[in-house]
Amino acid sequence: NAGVTQTPKFQVLKTGQSMTLQCAQDMNHEYMSWYRQDPGMGLRLIHYSVGAGITDQGEVPNGYNVSRSTTEDFPLRLLSAAPSQTSVYFCASGRTGAPYEQYFGPGTRLTVT
Amino acid sequence: AQTVTQSQPEMSVQEAETVTLSCTYDTSESNYYLFWYKQPPSRQMILVIRQEAYKQQNATENRFSVNFQKAAKSFSLKISDSQLGDTAMYFCAFMKRYNTDKLIFGTGTRLQVFP
Repeated sequence: NAGVTQTPKFQVLKTGQSMTLQCAQDMNHEYMSWYRQDPGMGLRLIHYSVGAGITDQGEVPNGYNVSRSTTEDFPLRLLSAAPSQTSVYFCASGRTGAPYEQYFGPGTRLTVT
Repeated sequence: AQTVTQSQPEMSVQEAETVTLSCTYDTSESNYYLFWYKQPPSRQMILVIRQEAYKQQNATENRFSVNFQKAAKSFSLKISDSQLGDTAMYFCAFMKRYNTDKLIFGTGTRLQVFP
């Protein structure tokens, strides 16, 4: 049971490039989410999914796309990277029912130059 | 909309002493959960403790306990017998009950434990 895994751990992009951050979980959780963490701002929700085929926007969705074709995977796509997207990105998953908590991946540090 | 406020950006404590981290929140919901997460330098988010709002009893996990004041919308974390390994960022977070997809975080408190 690997929990929540994210790849890559580090990435450097040039402005305008696109890329996909991968997230996978093996706990059969219905819920999956992406957060970004910026200094002094805590974690903010980007997009979330309540099940395969269902996604919705969080607090800061602009510049990001998501899809959920399987229960296990929830990739985050940056369409045209901007320096403002330099951040640490966390994927999380959770299940319906108690204990209503989220399990986090190890994070991806992204730098856009 | 819900908000979570951590008013202490940084705190320090000597090893073996007790420290309390503050958190207040604003919500009109009656059913919700509150969490404290620890983020050490490895940046992994680790759940420290969880409190269900409908439970009056304060949650405890070994050296970690909370003081949950629902009417005051306050949720502080007490760390007893502080250890060097407690050095980390601590985040308070709110989740509406049945909304496992969304956590709302505070801005964090950086705790330094000194020998």
